[in-house]
Amino acid sequence: DAKTTQPPSMDCAEGRAANLPCNHSTISGNEYVYWYRQIHSQGPQYIIHGLKNNETNEMASLIITEDRKSSTLILPHATLRDTAVYYCIALVANAGKSTFGDGTTLTVKP
Amino acid sequence: KAGVTQTPRYLIKTRGQQVTLSCSPISGHRSVSWYQQTPGQGLQFLFEYFSETQRNKGNFPGRFSGRQFSNSRSEMNVSTLELGDSALYLCASSLGSGSGYKTYEQYFGPGTRLTVT
Repeated sequence: DAKTTQPPSMDCAEGRAANLPCNHSTISGNEYVYWYRQIHSQGPQYIIHGLKNNETNEMASLIITEDRKSSTLILPHATLRDTAVYYCIALVANAGKSTFGDGTTLTVKP
Repeated sequence: KAGVTQTPRYLIKTRGQQVTLSCSPISGHRSVSWYQQTPGQGLQFLFEYFSETQRNKGNFPGRFSGRQFSNSRSEMNVSTLELGDSALYLCASSLGSGSGYKTYEQYFGPGTRLTVT
């Protein structure tokens, strides 16, 4: 699995968009970018994933650069409940394992 | 549909004992993965089972083992417990095979918090 690099922490004002970056410069062509988040003491929650096209679901949007070396998770209107550790993972789609890094601790402030 | 369930939620054991943790995946999911989470090491992959066979394995000693049953339920066992095995043990389920966008989305359970004294 390609190594991913994320900033250790970020703050965001409630109601504003939260943009969480992830660097995966060694990603290979068959590796997807997955995002999960973990709210304190709970299991990680799947958010979104993509290969090369931008993706959007009810939770978030994922923007992947054309060269696929980095991506950004966008929470369009952050709420206090979005405070969590966000993990970006690059892995081959047929792998039932995920290599989690340290993630980004997002703190949404009122 | 019901999510991933793990039992027990909390467990206290002493060094040298063994422990068995259980995970019931989402109905229809055939892949179950196990992870260990500790404050110092973060989330680390233990192993994955698919159709009763171990398909992927992380870098953990042989004291950590698992199995999967025909109904996709999985158990993991830790023998000869050490203090460093104190952690939150998470399991995650996914469809695990086939094509389609959702095949490899992993859904995590609440975890079992194991304390070794």
